[in-house]
Amino acid sequence: EVQLLESGGGLVQPGGSLRLSCAASGFTFSSYAMSWVRQAPGKGLEWVSAISGSGGSTYYADSVKGRFTISRDSSKNTLYLQMDSLRAEDTAVYFCAKDSSSWYVGSFDYWGQGTLVTVSS
Amino acid sequence: QSALTQPASVSGSPGQSITISCTGTSSDVGGYNYVSWYQQHPGKAPKLMIYEVSNRPSGVSNRFSGSKSGNTASLTISGLQAEDEADYYCSSDTSSSTLVFGTGTKVTVL
Repeated sequence: EVQLLESGGGLVQPGGSLRLSCAASGFTFSSYAMSWVRQAPGKGLEWVSAISGSGGSTYYADSVKGRFTISRDSSKNTLYLQMDSLRAEDTAVYFCAKDSSSWYVGSFDYWGQGTLVTVSS
Repeated sequence: QSALTQPASVSGSPGQSITISCTGTSSDVGGYNYVSWYQQHPGKAPKLMIYEVSNRPSGVSNRFSGSKSGNTASLTISGLQAEDEADYYCSSDTSSSTLVFGTGTKVTVL
């Protein structure tokens, strides 16, 4: 059974940093691209970032480019999102999502339950 | 990259069919066949309902179908059931190697 478990969310001050983790199980982690998708309270879905199965290619939304860094550790079956220079508008539930392919195509067949990030002073 | 345009709400009676539109541009929906649809119940993670415009993942009811014409993709739910009441989002790859979601549609079963 595929499982994705996010962790690392919490309350952080504007300008601060946070690292999210997503522990994956039930599939060959290195064979699939992964993404982070966020949802602000009461709002719609927003794609944040993606990484290929090999980790050699990364992609970012303009809203986070230069501030967020996606990475993966296949030895630990874990996806990461390093978030720096956080802003109030980054407040959201962050979901990790498994792509249906080894390269990023944006069809997410499995999702975690999400971790809440709140940026506030 | 602007969000794809979806109607804010669509409603129908049990047993009826409804269609949700998802309008973009030639740089996203119109230029790629990587259009997906997701269902999201309150407080839950999204669920993939349609991928690559018209393909259904295993386990998804055949009451859900997808199509595309030009810059507009559509999701049709036939034989509407109470459990279909949820928010629905489309998504598409873009020419910038990013992904854009739709604005979301709340489906109400009357």
